[in-house]
Amino acid sequence: GDSVTQTEGLVTLTEGLPVMLNCTYQSTYSPFLFWYVQHLNEAPKLLLKSFTDNKRPEHQGFHATLHKSSSSFHLQKSSAQLSDSALYYCAWITGNTGKLIFGLGTTLQVQP
Amino acid sequence: NSKVIQTPRYLVKGQGQKAKMRCIPEKGHPVVFWYQQNKNNEFKFLINFQNQEVLQQIDMTEKRFSAECPSNSPCSLEIQSSEAGDSALYLCASIGLDYEQYFGPGTRLTVL
Repeated sequence: GDSVTQTEGLVTLTEGLPVMLNCTYQSTYSPFLFWYVQHLNEAPKLLLKSFTDNKRPEHQGFHATLHKSSSSFHLQKSSAQLSDSALYYCAWITGNTGKLIFGLGTTLQVQP
Repeated sequence: NSKVIQTPRYLVKGQGQKAKMRCIPEKGHPVVFWYQQNKNNEFKFLINFQNQEVLQQIDMTEKRFSAECPSNSPCSLEIQSSEAGDSALYLCASIGLDYEQYFGPGTRLTVL
């Protein structure tokens, strides 16, 4: 069935190194995809969303590109910062009610 | 920044007790969602409303949960008889343009 899969578990990086968190989807149609970030004890916040016109969304130094050929929407940043340490979720809209389906989340830990 | 308001932030109940939480969505957002985020940080969709009507809900919600979104009043989610497994963060979200969902800070329910 339709699903989204992302890098699971913990990703630990040294500050200044590039970040890449994977997200792939399995769907019979092209979905709307999102990246949400959740800092400790805070609500999930929308970080990026996919566009249908091949634009590459960017926010806070993060970017992601929807590749229909590989069914992917990987999250990238050229240089990790300590403040990027958080939980990251890839999610997509399913159906016409706007319900979000979340991946299992990736914890990004950036060390000095 | 999200303007979704949720109360209370923390709720502690004994097993079998009712647990009620409230949500005021962003002004102008007609669709409201409730999600449950468990201790493993996994999201589960519970129910959503468009204006005052239920769009979609899962079985668990149909049986032990009640929810409503009356006009001119906060939306609410109530667990009729709390169980230990209901301990989680309950997130309310409302949807804006282009399917962007904005989350409130959540109500953290602990069932003793």
